[in-house]
Amino acid sequence: GAGVSQTPSNKVTEKGKYVELRCDPISGHTALYWYRQSLGQGPEFLIYFQGTGAADDSGLPNDRFFAVRPEGSVSTLKIQRTERGDSAVYLCASSTRTNTGELFFGEGSRLTVL
Amino acid sequence: EDQVTQSPEALRLQEGESSSLNCSYTVSGLRGLFWYRQDPGKGPEFLFTLYSAGEEKEKERLKATLTKKESFLHITAPKPEDSATYLCAVQAGGGADGLTFGKGTHLIIQP
Repeated sequence: GAGVSQTPSNKVTEKGKYVELRCDPISGHTALYWYRQSLGQGPEFLIYFQGTGAADDSGLPNDRFFAVRPEGSVSTLKIQRTERGDSAVYLCASSTRTNTGELFFGEGSRLTVL
Repeated sequence: EDQVTQSPEALRLQEGESSSLNCSYTVSGLRGLFWYRQDPGKGPEFLFTLYSAGEEKEKERLKATLTKKESFLHITAPKPEDSATYLCAVQAGGGADGLTFGKGTHLIIQP
């Protein structure tokens, strides 16, 4: 079956622009996570959804970052007024189990802010 | 603050040369420790979960162990296809949902 799908795989934007990154989890997975990975670093937790609601958004760095999951499946990570420091690979992961560390990750969306 | 430190940062081995990767952690109430493998340009792939000191898990040439302060990933007689970055992560108790990852160990197995 299909794994976690993320689009776009690459996004280049200019400082100050708005971007959206999309995640399509594995079918039937109710738990969905967003992580951010900078070069040479491990993934950094951003936000966790259980169903449609954000159960834990404590990792979002500031109010320029926002994520939604309106129907409990596809999720979109939205970044306003992008900054060069936002450049990273944004990883989405899903799981059948709630509040677990056993995650299925997508290949990520590489964001470059010029 | 939860912390995960992995060593070495990079390791180059000959095919068949066994070794161990270290993951030291400090966490407020460990709920679980996780090992992942990450290939270049890919997302991490789940390998193991360890919950309590003394626990061990095995998969093919890999064995993960856990103490109260650290975890080891032992690689026995590795093959070139075992080359990857190995990530360690912890999940804290107290309702935390996200994982805290280390920076990883970049492992290269030379034929």
